[in-house]
Amino acid sequence: EIVLTQSPTTIAASPGEKVTITCRASSSVSYMYWYQQKPGASPKPWIYDTSKLASGVPNRFSGSGSGTSYSLTINTMETEDAATYYCQQWSSTPPTFGSGTKLEIK
Amino acid sequence: EVQLVESGGGLVQPGRSLKFSCAASGFTFSDYAMAWVRQAPKKGLEWVATIIYDGSSTYYRDSVKGRFTISRDNAKSTLYLQMDSLRSEDTATYYCARQEMGFDYWGQGVMVTVSS
Repeated sequence: EIVLTQSPTTIAASPGEKVTITCRASSSVSYMYWYQQKPGASPKPWIYDTSKLASGVPNRFSGSGSGTSYSLTINTMETEDAATYYCQQWSSTPPTFGSGTKLEIK
Repeated sequence: EVQLVESGGGLVQPGRSLKFSCAASGFTFSDYAMAWVRQAPKKGLEWVATIIYDGSSTYYRDSVKGRFTISRDNAKSTLYLQMDSLRSEDTATYYCARQEMGFDYWGQGVMVTVSS
């Protein structure tokens, strides 16, 4: 199965700061999906097909990448962005998730 | 509005069985593949199983093959997960999810605790 490694595991950012979360795949994948999860809540789709924002996601978010390296970027951090973000692939079965990146407000 | 509402779950002893369901509304259920994704306490997300739109094909992660059964009733717009021979490592919140562009809608989750 394809292993997704996210980095960093935890990051603290100040409001207005630029944030980048990386997801590296053990084998090449065609697309990457990202989810946002806040404590006690279900995951929410955040980015699909590598770079498309899900409905309602602010345009300060962006996604990019190809092959084995993908990233989620927040152009200017806001307090509401504090959450855990997971990447996910389904280029091969089983679909797998990264272990998550916890984004905190500094 | 798309809604996925799980019901069931609870505390069960190791080796026993449990079945829970996910009632879907707000979309044509029979058009979509559906999945179960779980999350152990304080852990990450883990795909469990998928069933295609008409129920003719199912897919499972290795650790649940032969123990879990995903099924659906399109007439009732309901997804099911039958879990047999439960183990402590199956303790998790189980989410029902619509499988489209990844997993584009999620239920609120149902907690399953496997403990004696």
